[in-house]
Amino acid sequence: DAKTTQPNSMESNEEEPVHLPCNHSTISGTDYIHWYRQLPSQGPEYVIHGLTSNVNNRMASLAIAEDRKSSTLILHRATLRDAAVYYCIHNSGGSNYKLTFGKGTLLTVNP
Amino acid sequence: DVKVTQSSRYLVKRTGEKVFLECVQDMDHENMFWYRQDPGLGLRLIYFSYDVKMKEKGDIPEGYSVSREKKERFSLILESASTNQTSMYLCASSLLVGGLAKNIQYFGAGTRLSVL
Repeated sequence: DAKTTQPNSMESNEEEPVHLPCNHSTISGTDYIHWYRQLPSQGPEYVIHGLTSNVNNRMASLAIAEDRKSSTLILHRATLRDAAVYYCIHNSGGSNYKLTFGKGTLLTVNP
Repeated sequence: DVKVTQSSRYLVKRTGEKVFLECVQDMDHENMFWYRQDPGLGLRLIYFSYDVKMKEKGDIPEGYSVSREKKERFSLILESASTNQTSMYLCASSLLVGGLAKNIQYFGAGTRLSVL
């Protein structure tokens, strides 16, 4: 199974940038890197995905290392509503449907 | 916006009961999924379906079955509920994009099932 490594928890202050790291050393060449987040009492929510190049959307930015063995989700200005568990995922090798969720990083945002 | 709707947020059932968890998506997605989420274990895939009447087992299918008679609806069935099936159940759907799925999954809010 695809495996990623993330810190168990991180803390940030409101309106400051947050960099959430992820290691995915077993990633294969065609695996996309996905980030989801799960707010309290909600289902996971898609945040962003990428393959090789850095990506930006209205929620966040994704910086992917050149060797693709790690990536960083960047929240440019954290808000209290960004407090959630953030999951970094890549597809299992050869699978084009399955996402394997790890334990994620619990992000706490302080006012 | 994509919407995935799970029929109940909370359910309480008794051991041995047959339980149906319903999920409906409104974006014509081919793929639908059922997960369960338990503290310390994360999300685990129970079953998924890539087309009407098609299903495949996920990582933990034992004690569950599924039904997909229409594209928009995917049901999870607990034939005889047991206390170890007390959990948060999450439904998701995704669109297969071309030949290489980017596989963005859209989740429902979840059903918290308690089996007493």
